[in-house]
Order: sequence, then C-alpha cells, then structure tokens
Amino acid sequence: DARVTQTPRHKVTEMGQEVTMRCQPILGHNTVFWYRQTMMQGLELLAYFRNRAPLDDSGMPKDRFSAEMPDATLATLKIQPSEPRDSAVYFCASGIRDTQYFGPGTRLTVL
Amino acid sequence: GIQVEQSPPDLILQEGANSTLRCNFSDSVNNLQWFHQNPWGQLINLFYIPSGTKQNGRLSATTVATERYSLLYISSSQTTDSGVYFCAVVSGTSYGKLTFGQGTILTVHP
Repeated sequence: DARVTQTPRHKVTEMGQEVTMRCQPILGHNTVFWYRQTMMQGLELLAYFRNRAPLDDSGMPKDRFSAEMPDATLATLKIQPSEPRDSAVYFCASGIRDTQYFGPGTRLTVL
Repeated sequence: GIQVEQSPPDLILQEGANSTLRCNFSDSVNNLQWFHQNPWGQLINLFYIPSGTKQNGRLSATTVATERYSLLYISSSQTTDSGVYFCAVVSGTSYGKLTFGQGTILTVHP
C-alpha cells in the first residue's frame, strides 16, 4: 500500500531556528505539493513541483521559506528563520493524473 | 481565483442517519476531489469526481459541472465518519493546484 511519508511528524522549535521538513512521494507520482493548514486560513498551497521542477511557489513567504526536490524520492520544505506565526500542520501530497494523495503531515510549533 | 464554498459548516447526526454535504465552486473545473480529515488529522481521498456520479460503500458523490456544484452523500452514518470533509478543485490552467473549501465538520453520535 503506497503512501506519502513525512518526517518529522512533530516539531517544536524556538523562534529564529531553522526547520526542515521532508517528504517522500509515492513512487511514480510526477507532482509534489506542499500545503499548510491552520485554523484561521484552512488549507493553503505553498508550492508544487512537476517532474521535480518548481511550477508555483507563490503561496510561500519567499524571504524565509524554500522548497526543493533534490531527487524524485525527496522533497524538502525549509523555514529559516522560523517565527511563531509559522506554527501549523504542513502537508505534503503527491499526485498523478490529477489525483493527489496526502501524507500524514508535520505539526510544527514555533515558540 | 476560483472560490469554493461548502455547506453546511457543521453537521451533527445520530448514528444511522443519512446526510448530504454540498460544494459550490465559482468557475469551471478540471478536477474535483472530496477528502475526509479524520480526528487524527489524516487527509484521506474519498473521490476524484470532476463530473458524474460515483459510489464507494456507504458514500457516494455527484458532480454537476455545468451547474458548478458537487454533493457528497453519507448513508447509515457511523461514529467513524466523524471529522472534517473537504471539497477541493482544480480550475483552468492551474496545473493540478487544488483550491480547498473551508470544510464541513461532521459529528456522529452513537
């Protein structure tokens, strides 16, 4: 049963620290998405890749967030420096033929 | 961008009851998915349904693309159906980018 995996599942850090979240998409999927979920904003798209190339990262604060896909089995989302308003659940999803499958999420708390 | 509205925002049911959740969208779509977010936060695909009707056990969904809405039917609800149901759409040339509605919070009491 193929699944999207994300690490870590939980992260507590202090303001100003760097945070790196990792995602392993489902093998064979050609699109990867990063979403953020908060109570206030709901689910928001941060960035997405097709065939490892970034297509749209307009949802990300460019000054502190970066998303990369160094190879087909790994996507990363980095926040540097982190701020309390970044506290949220970050989901990675991978997709093929217009259907997306979500990972379990990383719950980030920035103190 | 496209707007996605879901109703009702909250729904409370007794086990065994049936329910209908609605999703309206403001523009034509290439893709529409229904998700269930369980109490542990996991987002689970229910249906990929840009048009037509599909059924999976006690759940079924219908999308009328020309009228810009989709319905999710839950029959004989169970406590495990509790959670948040999201509708998400892809419009135009957005390359698979999903826009989510705000969700319907479903609570099923035993």
